[in-house]
Amino acid sequence: NAGVTQTPKFQVLKTGQSMTLQCAQDMNHNSMYWYRQDPGMGLRLIYYSASEGTTDKGEVPNGYNVSRLNKREFSLRLESAAPSQTSVYFCAGGTGYYNEQFFGPGTRLTVL
Amino acid sequence: QKEVEQDPGPLSVPEGAIVSLNCTYSNSAFQYFMWYRQYSRKGPELLMYTYSSGNKEDGRFTAQVDKSSKYISLFIRDSQPSDSATYLCAMSPYSSASKIIFGSGTRLSIRP
Repeated sequence: NAGVTQTPKFQVLKTGQSMTLQCAQDMNHNSMYWYRQDPGMGLRLIYYSASEGTTDKGEVPNGYNVSRLNKREFSLRLESAAPSQTSVYFCAGGTGYYNEQFFGPGTRLTVL
Repeated sequence: QKEVEQDPGPLSVPEGAIVSLNCTYSNSAFQYFMWYRQYSRKGPELLMYTYSSGNKEDGRFTAQVDKSSKYISLFIRDSQPSDSATYLCAMSPYSSASKIIFGSGTRLSIRP
């Protein structure tokens, strides 16, 4: 099993460009999550999907959209990138009574 | 004020020392408490989880929750250089498929 995979690993955008971060899991997780991690801020939840077909806003949803394409895939879209969106983005799948979350390796995004 | 506060460190201790990592929180509804370990340039991985107050031990790691003081701790015995990482506490008021609030992480370095 590959676990949780994310593409791309690195990306540089110019302000105003758009892009989609891809996430896929083969661990049969019902719930999936998108976080951003910034120095001194910890992990902040952008959007999550409790189950296939549902999505909900997290703590910092502005400037982002998500799609739960099927049970395996959960994508994050930046419609018009801004320098404030420079960050490391992590996707996670959740399972179990304690919502144990398994994280992908991350995407390092720089917006110039 | 953040819901979850965690000293960012860095914390540097000699090999073999006992390490104490701590978080405080303000939301009395939190019931589920977790510790994640994150190596440099990797995604976080779940280390331990506990439910409500009390202690839980797993090998060299002990997680402790004091709900009356809104304080959680992770102790690492016989620390090893391989324990050098950032440790994030996390907590949630609910069980599966719910939002988790993360601390900002403590960077730990074990000196050989």
